[in-house]
Amino acid sequence: NAGVMQNPRHLVRRRGQEARLRCSPMKGHSHVYWYRQLPEEGLKFMVYLQKENIIDESGMPKERFSAEFPKEGPSILRIQQVVRGDSAAYFCASSPRGGGPSNQPQHFGDGTRLSIL
Amino acid sequence: AQKITQTQPGMFVQEKEAVTLDCTYDTSDQSYGLFWYKQPSSGEMIFLIYQGSYDEQNATEGRYSLNFQKARKSANLVISASQLGDSAMYFCAMRGNSGNTPLVFGKGTRLSVIA
Repeated sequence: NAGVMQNPRHLVRRRGQEARLRCSPMKGHSHVYWYRQLPEEGLKFMVYLQKENIIDESGMPKERFSAEFPKEGPSILRIQQVVRGDSAAYFCASSPRGGGPSNQPQHFGDGTRLSIL
Repeated sequence: AQKITQTQPGMFVQEKEAVTLDCTYDTSDQSYGLFWYKQPSSGEMIFLIYQGSYDEQNATEGRYSLNFQKARKSANLVISASQLGDSAMYFCAMRGNSGNTPLVFGKGTRLSVIA
């Protein structure tokens, strides 16, 4: 009965390195959302993906950030050339279907805490 | 655009007492959903309760209830019989009904339960 799985739980990178964050949705879920949480803030939406498609990336910074959700395997949030300001908790959520009522809660993973040295 | 406002950065409550965490929202959608999540110090996001904009009754889930006042655009969370384990950050969130839209979160309220 696995929920949303994110790894790693903690990730430390030096400035200029690349960070890769992984998210496996709940079984049967085909929609993945990535959110970023800065210290003492709420979660802010970054990108929404279905399998092999980016549906909405309006919250994603234009440079250095990218996301994918391949047909096989987890969703990946990739941050290139990381800077100190990228230090945050990154959460992934999944939901079972597109469209329909707004009452589908999003099930969150435990997050990845990214620290940039 | 949707917006969630939580005006209480921090709240204290005595164990076994009830507490209300405030949430107001703004949206132009006719149909929308309101959610509360709990984030303990360990960091995970735990879904607590949901209220639909067309639901006539206030949602309840165990010790959690949602005081929904549509005309005032408020969706306050009421926790009854507070327990020490309720100490956490609490986030109010909403989503519209346009497809599988993402959640919009408030800044949160830190609740501390005192023995």
